[in-house]
Amino acid sequence: DGGITQSPKYLFRKEGQNVTLSCEQNLNHDAMYWYRQDPGQGLRLIYYSQIVNDFQKGDIAEGYSVSREKKESFPLTVTSAQKNPTAFYLCASSSPLYGYTFGSGTRLTVV
Amino acid sequence: RKEVEQDPGPFNVPEGATVAFNCTYSNSASQSFFWYRQDCRKEPKLLMSVYSSGNEDGRFTAQLNRASQYISLLIRDSKLSDSATYLCVVNEGAQGGSEKLVFGKGTKLTVNP
Repeated sequence: DGGITQSPKYLFRKEGQNVTLSCEQNLNHDAMYWYRQDPGQGLRLIYYSQIVNDFQKGDIAEGYSVSREKKESFPLTVTSAQKNPTAFYLCASSSPLYGYTFGSGTRLTVV
Repeated sequence: RKEVEQDPGPFNVPEGATVAFNCTYSNSASQSFFWYRQDCRKEPKLLMSVYSSGNEDGRFTAQLNRASQYISLLIRDSKLSDSATYLCVVNEGAQGGSEKLVFGKGTKLTVNP
């Protein structure tokens, strides 16, 4: 079945540590996105990518980095510069015909 | 003014009730509109798109009023399984070649037996 796979489901980060969240899709979608959701809040766009080797900052890109070396993969790195990283992270991909599909999310907690 | 605003909720209704959610958006150039459903600690899933003429899918009816920049979702004959958070989502159109979805904060619905 086609879909988006995010891993890990739960991730714990120590202060000052960089962590990378994985997002893989086999839907052949060109566009991919990373969102952050905090309790009681809407989703906020971190980064998005329309094509391989190209990506754009979203509304809250500070403290995050991404890469898009393959169409299928769009990993997100949460760097030590992100001062409040505890949140639910959602990856999505989209096509003009079928709209958005979300992964099941990664819940990141700073310990 | 926030980009997409929804009823803050939460809504607690008995089974069989009719419940309506409202949403307003600030960008008059917005191109398309959606309702997503998000279960606790899960990803959002598309419930239905919203068209200017209004559209219905079983017990769910969505309406769009472009002049008032207002979107609504009506759920009739509520079921326990309808308990979730409902997100109003607006597509503001292409930005740098990519679509920009703006999400409301969501309205939580609990349907009680």
